[in-house]
Amino acid sequence: DAKTTQPNSMESNEEEPVHLPCNHSTISGTDYIHWYRQLPSQGPEYVIHGLTSNVNNRMASLAIAEDRKSSTLILHRATLRDAAVYYCILPSPRSRASGSRLTFGEGTQLTVNP
Amino acid sequence: DAGVIQSPRHEVTEMGQEVTLRCKPISGHNSLFWYRQTMMRGLELLIYFNNNVPIDDSGMPEDRFSAKMPNASFSTLKIQPSEPRDSAVYFCASGSGGAWDTQYFGPGTRLTVL
Repeated sequence: DAKTTQPNSMESNEEEPVHLPCNHSTISGTDYIHWYRQLPSQGPEYVIHGLTSNVNNRMASLAIAEDRKSSTLILHRATLRDAAVYYCILPSPRSRASGSRLTFGEGTQLTVNP
Repeated sequence: DAGVIQSPRHEVTEMGQEVTLRCKPISGHNSLFWYRQTMMRGLELLIYFNNNVPIDDSGMPEDRFSAKMPNASFSTLKIQPSEPRDSAVYFCASGSGGAWDTQYFGPGTRLTVL
């Protein structure tokens, strides 16, 4: 599996934007970049994914560097409910026949201050 | 959509007893994953199935653990005999399959082995 590197923790204030970085320098040309988050006492939940272009959905935006060796998850206006561990993952293997698996690292613990 | 359903939500048992955890994936999903989460080791993939067939069980810790998926709507993870070090939160997740499989996690089963 391609390795990802994230800061252990980050802090933000409520209503402010949050930029969560992820380095994945060994990414291959066909690896998708997935982000999941885990709220306290809950299972992980999917946030967003992308391949090359920047992506937006109702939860967040994903900005992918041109060389694809890094990406940034952007929460446009953090709320207290966004306090969670955020995981940047490159699923593998990539196969329609066998599906893919996720390898969770330690992620980034996001604290949102009121 | 009820999401992924896991039962029981909490299980307390004594060392040596058999434990069976159950999972009902989202209807129509053809990938199913079992994970274990502890403070020490984080979130680990134990085994995953695609179209009811085990694809990768390399994460299963030892022979005391076994998983089955007799049909597309049900899976079990069994621990026999259980040991205190098996205490963890066990998550089941399902996905629609494919190379960019998004996984949907259940609420987890918190297992305590005394």
